[in-house]
Amino acid sequence: DIQMTQSPSAMSASVGDRVTITCRASQGIGNYLAWFQQKPGKVPKRLIYAASSLQSGVPSRFSGSGSGTEFTLTISSLQPEDFATYYCLQHYNYPLTFGGGTKVEIK
Amino acid sequence: EVQLLESGGGLVQPGGSLRLSCAASGFTFSSYTMYWVRQAPGKGLEWVSGITGSVGTTYYAASVKGRFTISRDNSKNTLYLQMNSLRAEDTAVYYCARFKTTPDDAEYFQHWGQGTLVTVSS
Repeated sequence: DIQMTQSPSAMSASVGDRVTITCRASQGIGNYLAWFQQKPGKVPKRLIYAASSLQSGVPSRFSGSGSGTEFTLTISSLQPEDFATYYCLQHYNYPLTFGGGTKVEIK
Repeated sequence: EVQLLESGGGLVQPGGSLRLSCAASGFTFSSYTMYWVRQAPGKGLEWVSGITGSVGTTYYAASVKGRFTISRDNSKNTLYLQMNSLRAEDTAVYYCARFKTTPDDAEYFQHWGQGTLVTVSS
């Protein structure tokens, strides 16, 4: 099975900060990676697909990069509505695996 | 409009069984691979199981293989998850999610149900 190691697991940041979240795959997955945002009590929302493609309607401050085994989600200027938990997901092969999540909290 | 509506969750004793359903509408259900994803209270997301559209090939996470069975009824636009030999660690919100219709489909995981809570406790 492919392990997705996501870091950090939690972070405190201020409005306007640049935030970077990383996912590392235990083997190459090409660009078969998506990023999700989840707020408490809500359904996950897809932000990025194919590692770097921005979901329609998602603000351009979100971006994804990487391929193979190293992937990054960047929020260029953190906004109040961005405080949430973020997950990566590999869908290169079965079983699909999520990263452990990164909780972004207000500093 | 794509809609996914789960049902069937509830309280069940350890060792018991439960069947979840996910009613789909607004798209050609039979063309899509569908998944179940779960989230234990206060924990992260875990992919549970998947089934392809027309052929019905199934896939499972190791944690549920041999206990859970995914199936679909394309005539009823409904996805199922039969859960047997339930354990406390199966307690979670269970979501159904739409994956792909073709390998190039870029809309995967855009559509999720609202989830149904399964609690395994005596």
